[in-house]
Amino acid sequence: SQQGEEDPQALSIQEGENATMNCSYKTSINNLQWYRQNSGRGLVHLILIRSNEREKHSGRLRVTLDTSKKSSSLLITASRAADTASYFCATAGLKAAGNKLTFGGGTRVLVKP
Amino acid sequence: KAGVTQTPRYLIKTRGQQVTLSCSPISGHRSVSWYQQTPGQGLQFLFEYFSETQRNKGNFPGRFSGRQFSNSRSEMNVSTLELGDSALYLCASSPSNIGLAYNEQFFGPGTRLTVL
Repeated sequence: SQQGEEDPQALSIQEGENATMNCSYKTSINNLQWYRQNSGRGLVHLILIRSNEREKHSGRLRVTLDTSKKSSSLLITASRAADTASYFCATAGLKAAGNKLTFGGGTRVLVKP
Repeated sequence: KAGVTQTPRYLIKTRGQQVTLSCSPISGHRSVSWYQQTPGQGLQFLFEYFSETQRNKGNFPGRFSGRQFSNSRSEMNVSTLELGDSALYLCASSPSNIGLAYNEQFFGPGTRLTVL
């Protein structure tokens, strides 16, 4: 079963606009990660935020984490057509050792030129 | 460094057959994980291998198995295939070491399995 839900399930924006997607999860985590997937291909790691961090930036990406609400958001600023993809959040559990990630259902983002 | 490679990229099998998928991790990565992706269930964790030992296991039936070799390459096997096993199978490697986990994972392009 999936750890969390992502909202919205799909998002359509114009190039240059910002895209925001949210992720909620159910159990305590060690960290939360965001991945991008282009058209049924492999996933590309975007950013990792640890449970003791509240915000993290990487280029045009900004991720926030609110452990009290068990939620995270991913903001893509100044979107480009190349940002069209599905975006997934994934959590690493607090107690489990190793690299078991639990993924959300994903947000499909379409950036129109 | 070369990325994670998976072979084959596409596979068509019939019900009842078995299949073996292969994954070569990034050089130096000792952790290899497998995930199944379907439209209905999304991305689900199958298992993780580290230093030739299964370290984590997801909630899949025993028909799904895997192993890891001394060079960190991994294989997963699905026996007695069912229609519902049709999916994209993704392999991911991580530079995880003992006691240091929860790193980012580097995914391969996947093997798309179709069961007829």
